[in-house]
Amino acid sequence: DADVTQTPRNRITKTGKRIMLECSQTKGHDRMYWYRQDPGLGLRLIYYSFDVKDINKGEISDGYSVSRQAQAKFSLSLESAIPNQTALYFCATSDRGTSNTGELFFGEGSRLTVL
Amino acid sequence: KNQVEQSPQSLIILEGKNCTLQCNYTVSPFSNLRWYKQDTGRGPVSLTIMTFSENTKSNGRYTATLDADTKQSSLHITASQLSDSASYICVVSKASGGSYIPTFGRGTSLIVHP
Repeated sequence: DADVTQTPRNRITKTGKRIMLECSQTKGHDRMYWYRQDPGLGLRLIYYSFDVKDINKGEISDGYSVSRQAQAKFSLSLESAIPNQTALYFCATSDRGTSNTGELFFGEGSRLTVL
Repeated sequence: KNQVEQSPQSLIILEGKNCTLQCNYTVSPFSNLRWYKQDTGRGPVSLTIMTFSENTKSNGRYTATLDADTKQSSLHITASQLSDSASYICVVSKASGGSYIPTFGRGTSLIVHP
């Protein structure tokens, strides 16, 4: 089983619909992240959380919200999806420990298409 | 603005050949530099990490170099294999308040043909 699991892996929806992408991890890491990847643009940070009570905006948070339900779970919501939110979304985790060097561990990605 | 620039944007080589990917950065203060490999449809996976004092690090057929003075890194792939076809992402992190703030390059797409 994957250490960082994202659901769904693929989703097609219509403009205006509410969408939730879920992420769960078994790595025991405190820190979780949501990234968006678009062709030619690389990975961009949407939101990140350093523990259950900590939520921080990334560089492109507009139109998105997140919930850290538990240490192992971090979900991303699109309240009213629009076509330019069509992208590949990645959840990632990292460790806060003394050996931490900032390595990110990514899920397999959730491909979202908004029609 | 902290930036990470990668070149080339894409590269096609024949199986068995060597290639070198480049990464230039302006991230400051520098903490570490990682190269990630991202297979199509998968999440990125770390290949190497380099800190300020390191100038070469190998992981099998992958060798990364770092010149902290010129703020340049390269990833050299030796004797390429079909499985090397992927996107290679350079990520430079700076340390801030006990955390690492990564800046991602846009990646180099490598295609290895038989």
